[in-house]
Amino acid sequence: DGGITQSPKYLFRKEGQNVTLSCEQNLNHDAMYWYRQDPGQGLRLIYYSQIVNDFQKGDIAEGYSVSREKKESFPLTVTSAQKNPTAFYLCASSLGASGTEAFFGQGTRLTVV
Amino acid sequence: GEDVEQSLFLSVREGDSSVINCTYTDSSSTYLYWYKQEPGAGLQLLTYIFSNMDMKQDQRLTVLLNKKDKHLSLRIADTQTGDSAIYFCAEKAGGYQKVTFGTGTKLQVIP
Repeated sequence: DGGITQSPKYLFRKEGQNVTLSCEQNLNHDAMYWYRQDPGQGLRLIYYSQIVNDFQKGDIAEGYSVSREKKESFPLTVTSAQKNPTAFYLCASSLGASGTEAFFGQGTRLTVV
Repeated sequence: GEDVEQSLFLSVREGDSSVINCTYTDSSSTYLYWYKQEPGAGLQLLTYIFSNMDMKQDQRLTVLLNKKDKHLSLRIADTQTGDSAIYFCAEKAGGYQKVTFGTGTKLQVIP
């Protein structure tokens, strides 16, 4: 079945360590996105990519990095520079500027201790 | 920049109608969306409306758009316990792919 997959569902890391969250889609979508969700704050855009080998900063990119080497994959690295990394992270994809719907993964809950 | 606002919480009795409201600031919004998020899961698109429409109905869901006031609402008829979730309003300006989400409204359905 076509869809967007995030892994792992739960992730625990020690403070000061970098961690990479996986996002894969087989929908043949051009655009992919990473959002962070905190209680009472909705979804905030971290990074997005409209095409392979290109990505743009969102509203809260500091302390995060991404790559887009393949159309299907858009991994997010949470670096030690991110001051408050514990959150629920959501990946999404869409057809692109002509697409009306963003499809979301099931999310990764990252806890930094 | 863009801003989308929603009330945080709504409680209704099973069988009643629910109305979730949203206001946005970007006058160039082309698409307006309603997403549903169940606990611990991603977001699922419920419905969307183009900015040149006033209303869209899809089974139990009715979306009303007042473009002058930049106000969007989602009405759920005959609300069921399975409708309990967080509902996000979102908007997207034409051509630019960034989607701005509201804070989400947690709908609690009381049996």
